[in-house]
Amino acid sequence: DVKVTQSSRYLVKRTGEKVFLECVQDMDHENMFWYRQDPGLGLRLIYFSYDVKMKEKGDIPEGYSVSREKKERFSLILESASTNQTSMYLCASSPQGAGGANVLTFGAGSRLTVL
Amino acid sequence: SQELEQSPQSLIVQEGKNLTINCTSSKTLYGLYWYKQKYGEGLIFLMMLQKGGEEKSHEKITAKLDEKKQQSSLHITASQPSHAGIYLCGPPGQGAQKLVFGQGTRLTINP
Repeated sequence: DVKVTQSSRYLVKRTGEKVFLECVQDMDHENMFWYRQDPGLGLRLIYFSYDVKMKEKGDIPEGYSVSREKKERFSLILESASTNQTSMYLCASSPQGAGGANVLTFGAGSRLTVL
Repeated sequence: SQELEQSPQSLIVQEGKNLTINCTSSKTLYGLYWYKQKYGEGLIFLMMLQKGGEEKSHEKITAKLDEKKQQSSLHITASQPSHAGIYLCGPPGQGAQKLVFGQGTRLTINP
């Protein structure tokens, strides 16, 4: 009963390629997030979205863009991949409710290697 | 913005031993979530603490929230290989926000 699905577990791309990372959730959550995880740096927020077609920059948006055309899908786009974007990418979603309802449900992660 | 610092960053313990991981906030903690990540996978929600002094347990893992110290601790009793992984703390949020996490504690259990 997978709830947040990331389309690719492992990807290998070349420098300059355009990369799409897809994330789909089936819990009807309003909020969706993209993080990257690197050793020693922990989780860093790239972008998040609180509604369809809405997006907000996280702490490290440079070099990335996102798309949320449908509520259940949040895509991360690397317009021109670079080697410093080699990382583990984690998608998460959460409901809109207040008072402790913001537990994040994470996908299994997408490990991207840029050569 | 709130920052969360975890200590230690890495921990190696013998199977059967107890251990504690701490998460300290730069601002007042109104609550905290703990997550666990198995190596190479996504994060799984462990526990939610919503008020000062609260303590919750799940199997052999106990988490406490000390509001005055702006700190939460995660204690594992009689550690097992299944406890190995990365533990992360994160703040609760209202709606969609910049939900930032601690940098994580990598726990290794030696047989």
